[in-house]
Amino acid sequence: ETGVTQTPRHLVMGMTNKKSLKCEQHLGHNAMYWYKQSAKKPLELMFVYNFKEQTENNSVPSRFSPECPNSSHLFLHLHTLQPEDSALYLCASSQESYEAFFGQGTRLTVV
Amino acid sequence: SQQGEEDPQALSIQEGENATMNCSYKTSINNLQWYRQNSGRGLVHLILIRSNEREKHSGRLRVTLDTSKKSSSLLITASRAADTASYFCALNTGGFKTIFGAGTRLFVKA
Repeated sequence: ETGVTQTPRHLVMGMTNKKSLKCEQHLGHNAMYWYKQSAKKPLELMFVYNFKEQTENNSVPSRFSPECPNSSHLFLHLHTLQPEDSALYLCASSQESYEAFFGQGTRLTVV
Repeated sequence: SQQGEEDPQALSIQEGENATMNCSYKTSINNLQWYRQNSGRGLVHLILIRSNEREKHSGRLRVTLDTSKKSSSLLITASRAADTASYFCALNTGGFKTIFGAGTRLFVKA
């Protein structure tokens, strides 16, 4: 248990569906992250939030929409995804730029 | 590319042997971190080494950093079957941007 909780753990969705991934941390950290991990590729940093403000958006397609209502919660809203978006989506939090604590991830399959 | 490149991509050793993984990079860094990931799970932080540090230890782990060569190594001594996992180096280049490499897959045979 790292203090970062992601739900759901597994998600299968059709290309026309809308779904959301949820992440919460109870570590008092000021930064939260979304990463995408595809097979045989490095972890891709998608979004970074610092105290609810987005500080990084690494050219992520608009079909991925992040939301950070407060410094403890982070969402990733998914809409009209493609099969190549199937991956493990990892949420993490950190205090400043120090060690990141990761959730267990959401295994997403787009059919 | 801002990410680190781990070497080797995969490593298979016997229990009790030492495992060494290397990470090379091209940019200036604020700090470098090593993480471990068991299959399909979240990453677990192992060690953070700042750019002005040269070596750090944590239990059976030893990390070195050579900023002149832009490289770091992770040494796991007296490996155990439970050390089987993927190991990633992550570069923090400032702010909140931490970029991960592709990882080294370590397999420790019992």
